Amino acid sequence: QVQLVQSGSELKKPGASVKVSCKASGYTFTNSAINWVRQAPGQGLEWMGWINTNTGNPSYAQGFTGRFVFSLATSLSTAYLQISSLKAEDTAVYYCARPGGKGDLDYWGQGTLVTVSS
Amino acid sequence: QSALTQPASVSGSPGQSISISCTGPSSDVGGYNHVSWYQQHPGNAPKLMIYDVSNRPSGVSNRFSGSKSGNTASLTISGLQAEDEADYYCSSYISSSTLVLFGGGTKLTVL
Repeated sequence: QVQLVQSGSELKKPGASVKVSCKASGYTFTNSAINWVRQAPGQGLEWMGWINTNTGNPSYAQGFTGRFVFSLATSLSTAYLQISSLKAEDTAVYYCARPGGKGDLDYWGQGTLVTVSS
Repeated sequence: QSALTQPASVSGSPGQSISISCTGPSSDVGGYNHVSWYQQHPGNAPKLMIYDVSNRPSGVSNRFSGSKSGNTASLTISGLQAEDEADYYCSSYISSSTLVLFGGGTKLTVL
């Protein structure tokens, strides 16, 4: 069965960096892109962008350029989200998700809570 | 790009039917038949309930249905059950670069 398993919660200080992993199993990793979605505490879902698992080419939504980097370790069927120069407002749960068709996300990771606090 | 517009909250009694609307400009919700709906219980990841306006993934109850008219999509839940109490998000495909735009979310309360 398709599974996306994310790394555990992180507590970071402002200005630090964090790298969240998303390990896929149950399907051919390079057959589907990986999307990233952010959910701040008590807030809604924000689509951050996606990475093409064939080419490694990332595409970032408005507001997620510069400090946010999507990457892959294809041999490990794993996608990564790295956030640098962390700010308090980056505190959120970050989800990876696999697209099913055009615009829908049919499988989701369990989410990774990143807390930025001094 | 602004989020799609959803009501902040809806409520209904067990056994009743409710609908949640999702409105966007003609360039997204109105322009494509790629509207999805997600259910999210507290502390859990979102779960896909409807895709391509009205299709249910395998395993999703047929009490959940989707439709679209013009720039407004709707999720209808019939025979409300206590377990349906959750947050619901719509989303739409936008373009080849902006694949997903979410609505602001609707909190469903089962009275």
